[in-house]
Amino acid sequence: ETGVTQTPRHLVMGMTNKKSLKCEQHLGHNAMYWYKQSAKKPLELMFVYNFKEQTENNSVPSRFSPECPNSSHLFLHLHTLQPEDSALYLCASSPRAGGRREQYFGPGTRLTVT
Amino acid sequence: AQKITQTQPGMFVQEKEAVTLDCTYDTSDPSYGLFWYKQPSSGEMIFLIYQGSYDQQNATEGRYSLNFQKARKSANLVISASQLGDSAMYFCAMSESNTGNQFYFGTGTSLTVIP
Repeated sequence: ETGVTQTPRHLVMGMTNKKSLKCEQHLGHNAMYWYKQSAKKPLELMFVYNFKEQTENNSVPSRFSPECPNSSHLFLHLHTLQPEDSALYLCASSPRAGGRREQYFGPGTRLTVT
Repeated sequence: AQKITQTQPGMFVQEKEAVTLDCTYDTSDPSYGLFWYKQPSSGEMIFLIYQGSYDQQNATEGRYSLNFQKARKSANLVISASQLGDSAMYFCAMSESNTGNQFYFGTGTSLTVIP
């Protein structure tokens, strides 16, 4: 298994749909992150979980709902999204949050909201 | 204000030559970390190199080195002996001790290696 996996790789959904993105890390890390990557914009950190506890929520709209059942799995539940939410969603993990914490990223989910 | 600034949207380099990708940062925190990542067209972000604010020497990892100039708040990435596989987007990033678990990325530089 590669370090960080994400499913699905591609997702097209309507504005009234509910879907979930899944991330799994096989690195034994304790911190996990969700990022949004839109064209021409810096990567935006959305959520941080450290030892399953959410430590950061960067003013993300409530239509994005994260879930971290254990240190290896992270979900992003999506509902009533807007077209401007179309982006690449990247999951990452690091040994812990805080301090030197190079992050290891998954391949991303390319989300299109129609 | 932007925490990380990358002023070169696109760069070209001849194969086997060296190239420098610029990064400046903004922080008042004395303790911070600087990172460079590579993102090929496949989308996955790959960690390349790290520099801590208290590190006395510039970081090096194989063909990658970080030219850390603390007073200028710059952390340029130098890639030596460029290879075709180096063609990708490159992102500079920073973490600070005083902002919890925040992580800031720049807008990236697209590097194209010419055969």
